[in-house]
Amino acid sequence: NAGVTQTPKFQVLKTGQSMTLQCAQDMNHEYMSWYRQDPGMGLRLIHYSVGAGITDQGEVPNGYNVSRSTTEDFPLRLLSAAPSQTSVYFCASSYYWDRKAFFGQGTRLTVV
Amino acid sequence: DAKTTQPPSMDCAEGRAANLPCNHSTISGNEYVYWYRQIHSQGPQYIIHGLKNNETNEMASLIITEDRKSSTLILPHATLRDTAVYYCIPRVGDKIIFGKGTRLHILP
Repeated sequence: NAGVTQTPKFQVLKTGQSMTLQCAQDMNHEYMSWYRQDPGMGLRLIHYSVGAGITDQGEVPNGYNVSRSTTEDFPLRLLSAAPSQTSVYFCASSYYWDRKAFFGQGTRLTVV
Repeated sequence: DAKTTQPPSMDCAEGRAANLPCNHSTISGNEYVYWYRQIHSQGPQYIIHGLKNNETNEMASLIITEDRKSSTLILPHATLRDTAVYYCIPRVGDKIIFGKGTRLHILP
């Protein structure tokens, strides 16, 4: 099993550009989520999904879109990047009935 | 939503037991308490979870008070590799919400 795979690992964007952060898991987990972590801060929940076709907002959803067309993938879209979105992004997955979550290694995003 | 209170930081001598407290006085009767840690800038790592009874696994032990208002994570023989931020997280519905956690320093 590969676990939770995030791509890319590093990305630099210009203000106003769009991009998609990829997250894939091979554990057949129903629950997937995205977090951002700013320097020296804790993790904040952006969006989450309890199954294919179902998504919901977390603590800081503005500026981000998600969709869940398959169980395995949960991409995070930045439609118009802003410097305030410079952060490390983590994806996580777990079985719905269990919050023993597995996290990816993160995507370091810099918006200039 | 259940709120948690953890000390911002703690020190522990290498080889000694590290006891990390968490107050979750508003936790509901059916909410599990989960513990995670984040080493440097890596993705968080699951440690242990429990509902009412004390739990132990290969990484740690979890002691939950009888009234469930608080819990303590115990790392029995702390090593330098246990230096991390430790998060106590009650399960609240469909969300996993991280607080500020406790930064544990293991002293050589």
